[in-house]
Amino acid sequence: QKEVEQDPGPLSVPEGAIVSLNCTYSNSAFQYFMWYRQYSRKGPELLMYTYSSGNKEDGRFTAQVDKSSKYISLFIRDSQPSDSATYLCAMSAIFGNEKLTFGTGTRLTIIP
Amino acid sequence: NAGVTQTPKFQVLKTGQSMTLQCAQDMNHNSMYWYRQDPGMGLRLIYYSASEGTTDKGEVPNGYNVSRLNKREFSLRLESAAPSQTSVYFCASGRDPTDTQYFGPGTRLTVL
Repeated sequence: QKEVEQDPGPLSVPEGAIVSLNCTYSNSAFQYFMWYRQYSRKGPELLMYTYSSGNKEDGRFTAQVDKSSKYISLFIRDSQPSDSATYLCAMSAIFGNEKLTFGTGTRLTIIP
Repeated sequence: NAGVTQTPKFQVLKTGQSMTLQCAQDMNHNSMYWYRQDPGMGLRLIYYSASEGTTDKGEVPNGYNVSRLNKREFSLRLESAAPSQTSVYFCASGRDPTDTQYFGPGTRLTVL
């Protein structure tokens, strides 16, 4: 079993819908959680970062962490065609890029 | 300001051939990273350099060597390429190991 599990999709939703992307993990020591967005044929870019449990909001994006269930989510409100990309979750127990464990990514398409 | 650049963009090698992937950043970052991305496996760290003059192994270092040539440049060398090294390779950099990392556009490598 992988330490981080992420449904690869693909996920297709109509423009304007609320999108929910999720990752589950098995390592209870993980406490730093990130979401990256990767457009086709490009490198990933950091979208959201949260520490421990709780919610964090940035514009149309909300990151949610439930450590008791070992489950993290990224919500996208009022989804736009420009949100079409692959979304990667990443997490670590110790703060540091070299410690990150990445999910495999979920491919999202927003249909105009 | 080009950010992180990688050369070449595409490469096809035969088994046993060697090559060097080049990475350069113009953001005056101290830390640099090499990842590979494979379907169903997520991003995996090959090597990283926390600061100029240091390099360390990541999760999957076997078959690779790195050189931190100076603060700007971090190269990845495959001495004897194998089909298992067919992948997309990403370089990234950040101010330090705990800061946001910025990814390059990737090198798509096929080993026949």
